[in-house]
Amino acid sequence: DTGVSQDPRHKITKRGQNVTFRCDPISEHNRLYWYRQTLGQGPEFLTYFQNEAQLEKSRLLSDRFSAERPKGSFSTLEIQRTEQGDSAMYLCASSPGTSGGQETQYFGPGTRLLVL
Amino acid sequence: AQKVTQAQTEISVVEKEDVTLDCVYETRDTTYYLFWYKQPPSGELVFLIRRNSFDEQNEISGRYSWNFQKSTSSFNFTITASQVVDSAVYFCALSAYYGNNRLAFGKGNQVVVIP
Repeated sequence: DTGVSQDPRHKITKRGQNVTFRCDPISEHNRLYWYRQTLGQGPEFLTYFQNEAQLEKSRLLSDRFSAERPKGSFSTLEIQRTEQGDSAMYLCASSPGTSGGQETQYFGPGTRLLVL
Repeated sequence: AQKVTQAQTEISVVEKEDVTLDCVYETRDTTYYLFWYKQPPSGELVFLIRRNSFDEQNEISGRYSWNFQKSTSSFNFTITASQVVDSAVYFCALSAYYGNNRLAFGKGNQVVVIP
């Protein structure tokens, strides 16, 4: 059983450019989460999907950020007009989504973004 | 609001010594989950243990053990007989039992095991 995968692993971009990251969850996991981690800090929640429905968004997710999960499988996170403050590790996690309560979230390797 | 505090930033131990990581949390929820994750230099967060607020029984899993004390809102984690491969950042995390599925993480403890 493969784990959560993310692509690309590293991205360097110039300020003002748009970037898109992809996350493939563990097979048959219905819940998918995005987190952002800056240097020396713990991950911070960005957004969460149950199948294709985006159920929650953090205030950290500004208008420049958009996430989709069109078919309830993989997800994309797009950042428009990147700023230097967007430089961080973007982590994706998934969980089965079969229980009504909290489940263990399994994380991918992350995409490290550097905005110049 | 949920908050997790990991006071120690970096901890160095000599191989085979035990290392204990402190975690203090704040939540208004009466039921919740607590987690420990490990982040090696590769960057991937690896799930280690999970405990729900119903059960304060402390357990041991291999070289890992944890001490959950609801009265003091603490969820401490111990690595016994540390190994060089244990060198990583360890995060304590908290989530509500129902509904809100977000994990609230502490800032992490950098553990360095010296051979």
